[in-house]
Amino acid sequence: KNEVEQSPQNLTAQEGEFITINCSYSVGISALHWLQQHPGGGIVSLFMLSSGKKKHGRLIATINIQEKHSSLHITASHPRDSAVYICAVRDTDKLIFGTGTRLQVFP
Amino acid sequence: EPEVTQTPSHQVTQMGQEVILRCVPISNHLYFYWYRQILGQKVEFLVSFYNNEISEKSEIFDDQFSVERPDGSNFTLKIRSTKLEDSAMYFCASSARRFETQYFGPGTRLLVL
Repeated sequence: KNEVEQSPQNLTAQEGEFITINCSYSVGISALHWLQQHPGGGIVSLFMLSSGKKKHGRLIATINIQEKHSSLHITASHPRDSAVYICAVRDTDKLIFGTGTRLQVFP
Repeated sequence: EPEVTQTPSHQVTQMGQEVILRCVPISNHLYFYWYRQILGQKVEFLVSFYNNEISEKSEIFDDQFSVERPDGSNFTLKIRSTKLEDSAMYFCASSARRFETQYFGPGTRLLVL
């Protein structure tokens, strides 16, 4: 069974700061997802990646398959980035979720 | 942009009652999922569904749970006799093909009293 760990659990930042959220997993996978959960509960998929790096706007996701580790970076953070960021790994048809990182960005 | 929708957004029920949670996946998607999130905990997989049958289910998805695609658009999760511990946010998700990005609905918050 794959265990998905995220760090840190909570993160506060000032607007404009560079943010890094880490995810590690215990068993080799075919793909890893980063998702964003808003205060109201809704979940939005940010990235799905199986190797290398992906970028979308101010968000960058990287994965190192050998080390079983992924990072999500947010450049020039903004208060609207405040949310819970969740890492999930794909195991056959299902996603196995981490516990999430709660990010608060203050103006 | 197409999106997954879920109804109702909130449901309160008495223990032992049956509830049906409804989802309308994105129209050309073929794979459907239910997940749940108990308050303060991580999201957990319940079941995946493809070609009108369950393709995978978790140990949470016991005989009290069932899923159905009654027509070409709806995907439902039924809990036959709710328990207090079924209180959670239930998310429906869909993907166009297997192993592709899953798109999540806004969730149904279920409270069992």
